[in-house]
Amino acid sequence: QVQVVESGGGVVQPGRSLRLSCAASGFTFRTYGIHWVRQAPGKGLEWVALISYDGSNKYYGDSVKGRFTISRDNSKNKVYLQMNSLRPEDTAVYYCAKTKIWFGELLHSLDVWGKGTTVTVST
Amino acid sequence: DIVMTQSPLSLAVTPGEPASISCRSSQSLLHSNGYNYLDWYLQKPGQSPQFLIYLGSNRASGVPDRFSGSGSGTDFTLKISRVEAGDVGIYYCMQTLQPPLTFGGGTKVEIK
Repeated sequence: QVQVVESGGGVVQPGRSLRLSCAASGFTFRTYGIHWVRQAPGKGLEWVALISYDGSNKYYGDSVKGRFTISRDNSKNKVYLQMNSLRPEDTAVYYCAKTKIWFGELLHSLDVWGKGTTVTVST
Repeated sequence: DIVMTQSPLSLAVTPGEPASISCRSSQSLLHSNGYNYLDWYLQKPGQSPQFLIYLGSNRASGVPDRFSGSGSGTDFTLKISRVEAGDVGIYYCMQTLQPPLTFGGGTKVEIK
């Protein structure tokens, strides 16, 4: 079935780096964009980043721009989120989600979500 | 950036009764193609968010027809015609018109 699975979360000190992975299966990965969305403890959803199907376009939320980098490897059906200069406010569950194609149009809608991976930034 | 504002923050509904959630955007989500780039998502307790509605009024696969989305421009509504116990959770609207994509703050739906 169509699914995305996040991994790579953990506890990291402020200022350090971490790389998250999103592994996809059950669909033609190279034709879909992939998002990262996060949710801080007890808070709402915050969109983090989006990469287009071929990696040529990348977009970021204001709070992570310049610190996080999204990338993909279509030969491995994976998307990555490289997180540098981490701050305590980056503590959250990070979800990846695939975009939707509707009558041939590439929508930014998030139609399949993973279960998330937890990142904790703390001393 | 487009700011999304939801109301109410929470509502308690009797099973079988209708519920309505409002979402407003700081700028129009109406594209030149005639579609409104507004989605709705539901996060049930302890679960990942799930896809409900896209382009303002299109139900995602498997979503019951009790759920409907409406609105255009900057004002949108999610309606549940007859609330069931399994509908509890936090509902989020999200604009997908232009990056950075933005979510509303969420509306918590509980059962009375």
